[in-house]
Amino acid sequence: EDQVTQSPEALRLQEGESSSLNCSYTVSGLRGLFWYRQDPGKGPEFLFTLYSAGEEKEKERLKATLTKKESFLHITAPKPEDSATYLCAVRSIGGGTSYGKLTFGQGTILTVHP
Amino acid sequence: NAGVTQTPKFQVLKTGQSMTLQCAQDMNHEYMSWYRQDPGMGLRLIHYSVGAGITDQGEVPNGYNVSRSTTEDFPLRLLSAAPSQTSVYFCASSRDRANQPQHFGDGTRLSIL
Repeated sequence: EDQVTQSPEALRLQEGESSSLNCSYTVSGLRGLFWYRQDPGKGPEFLFTLYSAGEEKEKERLKATLTKKESFLHITAPKPEDSATYLCAVRSIGGGTSYGKLTFGQGTILTVHP
Repeated sequence: NAGVTQTPKFQVLKTGQSMTLQCAQDMNHEYMSWYRQDPGMGLRLIHYSVGAGITDQGEVPNGYNVSRSTTEDFPLRLLSAAPSQTSVYFCASSRDRANQPQHFGDGTRLSIL
């Protein structure tokens, strides 16, 4: 069974204070790892897809990296508008009814203070 | 493009009532799915569809029905609402179920009294 664990559960930063969020995963075979951002009262908003170990993706102040066991979302010089819940999800190569299914972690609540 | 549209945004039901949560997408995506989001549980898959006329169960399907008569629409039906179904429900769609990311609607917040 696919499993995803995110840490920390909550993270408070000062504006400009860089940090990283962690996503540890266990899958039979990774088809893709996805990062989403979720604002209060909204649905998850897609950020990145990573497919293989060593891959990196960047968007503004965010950079996602992938190893065989975990992914990191690095936030450089964050701003208050980066405050949100960040979700990690994996899609495995498993067949049958699990094919295509996303397994989500519980998320990291990021708060950036001015 | 509107993306994925869910209605209603909020709903309160009494135990035993039935209702349908609507989901529509305008991106011509083949794969659609329904998740529920509960505190401390993360998003969990209820049902999914790989195309019109084809649906299948996710990990928490009990108490819910789905159908997919068109590519655009994927309604979720609660047959007889129970307090345990109080949750936030999200519909998502993607171009395929293999590699493409899923795009989510803004959810329906459902309370069962």
